[in-house]
Amino acid sequence: DAGVIQSPRHEVTEMGQEVTLRCKPISGHNSLFWYRQTMMRGLELLIYFNNNVPIDDSGMPEDRFSAKMPNASFSTLKIQPSEPRDSAVYFCASRDSAYYEQYFGPGTRLTVT
Amino acid sequence: AQSVTQPDIHITVSEGASLELRCNYSYGATPYLFWYVQSPGQGLQLLLKYFSGDTLVQGIKGFEAEFKRSQSSFNLRKPSVHWSDAAEYFCAVGAYPSGTYKYIFGTGTRLKVLA
Repeated sequence: DAGVIQSPRHEVTEMGQEVTLRCKPISGHNSLFWYRQTMMRGLELLIYFNNNVPIDDSGMPEDRFSAKMPNASFSTLKIQPSEPRDSAVYFCASRDSAYYEQYFGPGTRLTVT
Repeated sequence: AQSVTQPDIHITVSEGASLELRCNYSYGATPYLFWYVQSPGQGLQLLLKYFSGDTLVQGIKGFEAEFKRSQSSFNLRKPSVHWSDAAEYFCAVGAYPSGTYKYIFGTGTRLKVLA
């Protein structure tokens, strides 16, 4: 299996622009997680989908952030408008709900100038 | 509240030396425990996991970890460190803090290996 796929790997954008991060989970996995990693706050869970339905979005920082999972093989995390404090590495992870471990993608490094 | 503590932010060892990274957790039930490694610019890779049974678990890359319920610990060990082990290591607990299963991560331990 190719593992969790994320795109783009790097994104540099200007403040105020819309940013869309993409994730393809491992085939057969029915849970998907979006995390943000920063030096100051470490790894934070933003949102969690199960069977394409958002289960817990309590970690989404504010209304500028939104996430969708239109089907079992694709999810997006959108930031609109972006701000410099959104600069971080964003990870997607997936899990087969019959098991307890999560598998992480390589991440998207976002820089907002 | 559930929490995971990795007391050592940085650890430096010489190549060939043994390694132990500490992880303590706070959770009311039997936890699901994980160790991940993150190399620079990479995602998190699962090293090993513990759910039940034998409290000493073997993982990839020659790592092992021991679950000690009495100490609420799940320390990661390697008998002989290689330069390629330099990375950040995260301990995680799989739990149900608000009714849904999710990970609680420690803050990570950054390992430096001296040649």
